[in-house]
Amino acid sequence: SFVITQPPSVSVAPGQTATITCGENNIGANTAHWYQQRPGQAPLLVVYDDGDRPSGIPDRFSGSNSGGTATLTISRVEAGDEGDYYCQIWDSDTDLVLFGGGTKQTVL
Amino acid sequence: EMQLVQSGTEMKKPGESLEISCQGFGYKFSDYWIGWVRQMPGKGLEWMGSMYAGDSNPRYGPPFQDQVTISVDKSISTAYLQWSSLQASDTAIYYCVRHGGVYYAFDLWGQGTMVTVSS
Repeated sequence: SFVITQPPSVSVAPGQTATITCGENNIGANTAHWYQQRPGQAPLLVVYDDGDRPSGIPDRFSGSNSGGTATLTISRVEAGDEGDYYCQIWDSDTDLVLFGGGTKQTVL
Repeated sequence: EMQLVQSGTEMKKPGESLEISCQGFGYKFSDYWIGWVRQMPGKGLEWMGSMYAGDSNPRYGPPFQDQVTISVDKSISTAYLQWSSLQASDTAIYYCVRHGGVYYAFDLWGQGTMVTVSS
């Protein structure tokens, strides 16, 4: 198995676009899912299957997966988007679920 | 409304046993997988293991194999996470999660159960 790399932190001003990467070219063809965890709350699925959004998630949240790196993009960032973001894959080689280390997003 | 409702906060001593639970509401429990995720204080998410609620074959993440037991009673739509002998390092929040299969996203989360192990 391998460790999924995420940047430890990102900072973005309100109204700007935040991008959070996952994998640094090593998640291969595995599909990525993304979770938001606000302080003191349970995680919430915001993007699944690389780029689909669950019902109720604003279209400001989008995802992509190319060249072994998955990316979560949050457009028009709001104060309420502050929190930790985790990517997750199923590693097809080991048949195990893996989480990235998490990225703390701060809204300036 | 679909939801997973977990049992309450636990405070235990090292060496004690523990079982926490997670009950599903608003969907057909036996049609989905149920898993558990650990979050140690100030740390990230770790997948502990999952099982299809319609059978009895859990699979575990390597750090948790032989450390915990995952089970399900589909007759009451409830999953369980058990320890036979707790250690201080088991102090964490434990979340149950629903997913459609091992490669599917965790689309429903419980509220979390805080477990504190201290002498």
